[in-house]
Parts: sequence; structure tokens; C-alpha cells
Amino acid sequence: DTAVSQTPKYLVTQMGNDKSIKCEQNLGHDTMYWYKQDSKKFLKIMFSYNNKELIINETVPNRFSPKSPDKAHLNLHINSLELGDSAVYFCASSRAPGTGGSPLHFGNGTRLTVT
Amino acid sequence: EDQVTQSPEALRLQEGESSSLNCSYTVSGLRGLFWYRQDPGKGPEFLFTLYSAGEEKEKERLKATLTKKESFLHITAPKPEDSATYLCAVQAGGNDMRFGAGTRLTVKP
Repeated sequence: DTAVSQTPKYLVTQMGNDKSIKCEQNLGHDTMYWYKQDSKKFLKIMFSYNNKELIINETVPNRFSPKSPDKAHLNLHINSLELGDSAVYFCASSRAPGTGGSPLHFGNGTRLTVT
Repeated sequence: EDQVTQSPEALRLQEGESSSLNCSYTVSGLRGLFWYRQDPGKGPEFLFTLYSAGEEKEKERLKATLTKKESFLHITAPKPEDSATYLCAVQAGGNDMRFGAGTRLTVKP
């Protein structure tokens, strides 16, 4: 029943490690996103994919690499983790751009803690 | 650059005490203004989309309105279960959505 699911829910790791977060949506949407929510609860877009193609890539360190094997999945791989990467990462999906203001549907987030 | 500013940052109400949350925006070519509700430990949950000035949407105790520069989320006779962070976001020419910092609402019984 879950529309947008991401795993794991919690991720605790040490500096310098490499980790991945997985996301899947069963809404039939063409567009998927990764957002980062910092300690002040501010949501900022990182990436957007439409039909497996990257369409938005905000100023994010290249240690972050999204991968979309198909339009229902968008994974986030992070290399050489740093303390400042600690945050909650949200996956979201929507209908394709050009459909006039499509709302996002969010997963429940992955809380990443880097020690 | 698109900007979204929400006020107040936090709001504490007594049960039944109506109030409004504000979202001011500057954007070229607004395609939609969105309101979301976020509970602790959860992702934002979509509430409303407003497309043009003068539009209003209602859902239970919530009513969202839109002008050319701002949107209001009116909460009538709130209950403790309305306690959450309310997020405003705008979508312009691209398909990315820019969020405000949110208003943290607490409703005391």
C-alpha cells in the first residue's frame, strides 16, 4: 500500500564510509526527487529524475550520486561521508513536469547520522 | 531567485483558538503554490494546491487562500491533532519545488 518507500529509516555510520539509500514508488509517477532536510527542518532539493534522466542537479558535492535503474526507483549513493552530511533525506515522486503544478508525494525519510 | 518565507516560525494555540499562517513568495511564472503538513518522523503530507490569485481550498478545519504575493492557511477551531509543522512550497518554470522553512503549530487542549 505504501506509495513512496525508502530504506533504511535510520543510518548511523562513521566519517569516510560509503552508504546508499534506496527509494521506490508505486504511484506510476514519472518524476522522482531527493530532498535534504537539515536540523532547522528546511527542505532543499538535491536531484530530480524524469523517466530515469537527470533533470535537476542542485549544488551538491559530487560525493552524492543518484542512480535511477527504472522510473519507479531512485537510489542515492554517498561516498566519503562527512559530519555535515548528517540530516534527514527524503525521496519524493510526482507526475511529469509540464502537468501544471504537480504535488510531491514523500517517503518517510532516512535519518543519516555521521559520527 | 524564487523565495518562500513563512511566518510565524512557531505558533502555540489553545484548542478552539482560530488563527492563520502566512507564506510570502517571490517567483516568476507561478505554476502552483502548495501546502503540506509534516508530523515528527514523517515525510510531508500534501494538503492543497493553489494555482491563481483569488483561489481558495478547504479541508476540514483548514482553508488555504492565495494572492499574488502570499498565501494564508487559516485554521478554524483547531484541535490538538492539528499540531504539526506546516510547509509552504512554490513551483515555477522548472519542476522543482521550493519550500519555506515551515511554521511549527502546537495546539494545547
